[in-house]
Amino acid sequence: AQSVAQPEDQVNVAEGNPLTVKCTYSVSGNPYLFWYVQYPNRGLQFLLKYITGDNLVKGSYGFEAEFNKSQTSFHLKKPSALVSDSALYFCAVRDYGNNRLAFGKGNQVVVIP
Amino acid sequence: NAGVTQTPKFQVLKTGQSMTLQCAQDMNHEYMSWYRQDPGMGLRLIHYSVGAGITDQGEVPNGYNVSRSTTEDFPLRLLSAAPSQTSVYFCASSRQKYGYTFGSGTRLTVV
Repeated sequence: AQSVAQPEDQVNVAEGNPLTVKCTYSVSGNPYLFWYVQYPNRGLQFLLKYITGDNLVKGSYGFEAEFNKSQTSFHLKKPSALVSDSALYFCAVRDYGNNRLAFGKGNQVVVIP
Repeated sequence: NAGVTQTPKFQVLKTGQSMTLQCAQDMNHEYMSWYRQDPGMGLRLIHYSVGAGITDQGEVPNGYNVSRSTTEDFPLRLLSAAPSQTSVYFCASSRQKYGYTFGSGTRLTVV
């Protein structure tokens, strides 16, 4: 079964500084990888995905993620964080075979003004 | 285009009561799933479906039933509610290889 690890519970970053949220995954076949964001008392919003192709994927709100097959990682990045980026971020992996989507535990991102 | 619609948004149940959480999507997606979200535990898959008439268990299926009689609807039934089922429940739908689209969630409290 596929699984996702998000090693840090919370990431604190100063406004204007680069933001990185880490994710590693385990899946038996080719991975489909996703990042979602959740604002307080809201549902999950899709940020970006990796299916195939370029290892650097660009998504919504200035976010991007880098797929690294050898390290089985899919870290989320943003060059310059905004206070409005403060939210809960989830990494997810979908197995090509069973199409089930497995989530990590989530990372709380706090951007400090 | 409504996307994924979940009802109700909030519900309080007494221990032992049963209820159905409704989920409907209008995107003709073949895949649908139910997740529960608990603090510090991320989203855990309860049940999922790969098409009408086909369902399967996720990682936390006990105490829940599902059916998929149509492509659009995927209701989640709590058979006999327990305090451990207090959670936020999300329904989601997808096409193959695409990300899932999530509903706005149902916040359930079992007292």
